[in-house]
Amino acid sequence: DTGVSQNPRHKITKRGQNVTFRCDPISEHNRLYWYRQTLGQGPEFLTYFQNEAQLEKSRLLSDRFSAERPKGSFSTLEIQRTEQGDSAMYLCASRPPPSLALTYEQYFGPGTRLTVT
Amino acid sequence: DAKTTQPNSMESNEEEPVHLPCNHSTISGTDYIHWYRQLPSQGPEYVIHGLTSNVNNRMASLAIAEDRKSSTLILHRATLRDAAVYYCTANTGFQKLVFGTGTRLLVSP
Repeated sequence: DTGVSQNPRHKITKRGQNVTFRCDPISEHNRLYWYRQTLGQGPEFLTYFQNEAQLEKSRLLSDRFSAERPKGSFSTLEIQRTEQGDSAMYLCASRPPPSLALTYEQYFGPGTRLTVT
Repeated sequence: DAKTTQPNSMESNEEEPVHLPCNHSTISGTDYIHWYRQLPSQGPEYVIHGLTSNVNNRMASLAIAEDRKSSTLILHRATLRDAAVYYCTANTGFQKLVFGTGTRLLVSP
């Protein structure tokens, strides 16, 4: 169990550019969540996958944002035409199916910090 | 998902007990109370959760009010490594977490 990994850890981009982040959940975790966290605030939910199906999207996820989990394993979050307001920490979390879960715990990765200049 | 309210910050001395309060007055009957903490430059880390009864684990204890409208996370002996932002959430078990602004715990030696 190597934990949830996210890449890159830091990304600096210019306004208007596209960026893509990757999340590798813990093996056998079929549920995957993306959150966004701005300075001084708690994480805000963006979207949720169960296996490859995207089951819920927040209204925060504008049409510039898209997330995929093509084979039910890793996930990518893409932001098109970045804006300065997109600067934040993007967190990924995963959890196992209920049959394997001892608790309702979500396991978070270290996050990708995005800075849009 | 219920909205939660926590004090912005609290201070403690090392090896003293810490009681972190959380109000969740709009909690529904099926909402679990979860506590997570976030150390600097890290993602949140699960601490404990409960539904109605008080809970203990190796990290902390969770005391839930009888009406479930509030709860208290108890760290029995604070250490410097417990300095973090502590979040409580109230939501159904396997759904998304809805975080507030949390309580920043400062621990002094």
